[in-house]
Parts: sequence; C-alpha cells; structure tokens
Amino acid sequence: DAKTTQPTSMDCAEGRAANLPCNHSTISGNEYVYWYRQIHSQGPQYIIHGLKNNETNEMASLIITEDRKSSTLILPHATLRDTAVYYCIVRASNQAGTALIFGKGTTLSVSS
Amino acid sequence: GAGVSQSPSNKVTEKGKDVELRCDPISGHTALYWYRQSLGQGLEFLIYFQGNSAPDKSGLPSDRFSAERTGGSVSTLTIQRTQQEDSAVYLCASSLSTANTEAFFGQGTRLTVV
Repeated sequence: DAKTTQPTSMDCAEGRAANLPCNHSTISGNEYVYWYRQIHSQGPQYIIHGLKNNETNEMASLIITEDRKSSTLILPHATLRDTAVYYCIVRASNQAGTALIFGKGTTLSVSS
Repeated sequence: GAGVSQSPSNKVTEKGKDVELRCDPISGHTALYWYRQSLGQGLEFLIYFQGNSAPDKSGLPSDRFSAERTGGSVSTLTIQRTQQEDSAVYLCASSLSTANTEAFFGQGTRLTVV
C-alpha cells in the first residue's frame, strides 16, 4: 500500500526554486516524513525529515501542512546537479522501527 | 570505512548458479537494509535487520533469497539458483537506529544473470 503520492515528473529552470509536493493523507501521529533523492547510477541520498514543524538544512527545506496530510520539499536554487528522482517516505519511529519503503518518486529535471 | 561498502561492485553469473553479495555497514550502525532496483525501476525493499531483533524478511521475493548479518555488522545476501529476472542493482543501507536517523546507502552491486 502506497502511503505517499507524488507527481511522476517535474521540470525546473536552473537557479529557480524547485517545489516538490507529496501527499500523505493517511499519515499517523508517530510517523515522520523523510525525503531522499537518487541521482542516476548512484545510491539514494538522505535530504531531510520532519514530524510537524518545518525543517531546513543545507540542502533543502521541508514544509509540512498543519494537518500533516501533505508536505513540500523546497530546493531554493536548483542546479543541474539536482536532477534526480526524489522520494517522499512516511515512516513510524518507535522501538521496533520499520523499514524505509520507497515509492516511485518524482523525477525532477533541472535545465539551463 | 567512511561509508557503506558493497562488494563486488559488479557480478556476472550464469543462470542457476548461487551468488553472495556482501555489505559492510558503517561502524556502529545497528540497522541494515537490502534493496533491489531493476533497470529503470524504483527501489524494492527486500529485508532489514535491526540490532538483535528478528529481521523483517517481508520483502524477499522468493525462498531463493536469504540474508544473514553476522555479529551485528557485515551482511550477506544470498541468491540461490539465480534467474535472469534477478538481474538488478542490489543496494545496501545502514543507519544508527531506525528512530529518526538517516540511512546511508552503498553504491550497490550490479548483478547480471546470463
């Protein structure tokens, strides 16, 4: 069962902000939202994660709606190297833990 | 090492042979994951280990697939009687724990069954 819904693909001009949406309408109270990306021929790379509050790090910002049913990953100034498949993942955090389950993601194409 | 190390990086095997793929996680990481990625497809979860708990094997596609994690560190994914549809990149990841921490991925083993 897919816990997240993302657009299949998006385009972005170099230097502009890339806003990648994710719908997770069935998210539970103890589930975090994680974002990973996979550049062609490489292993996935962690970007950011959050629970309720908006988060920012050196790579991106994560905006989570108040009802937590959706979120947006923002790459403030996209570069050609940001072309990748971006995965939004919902995962519970508890003692037993759960595996990271990847969906199909969004293919972001950044062009000059 | 500094990151997750997988070996071999490439493996070509004949149909019907058994193969072993190795993953060296980051030292101290208690969680370890195996994924499979066929050409042009997404990541398919196979199995994950967390400390001394029983592994979550729910993603293994058939009983030809198995994995071990010895001493809570190195893991080996074994595929018996390989089939052509097993051809894929096999990715391993590790994390400090499954609670709120990022997973670090290796570069994968590209398996080709001929």
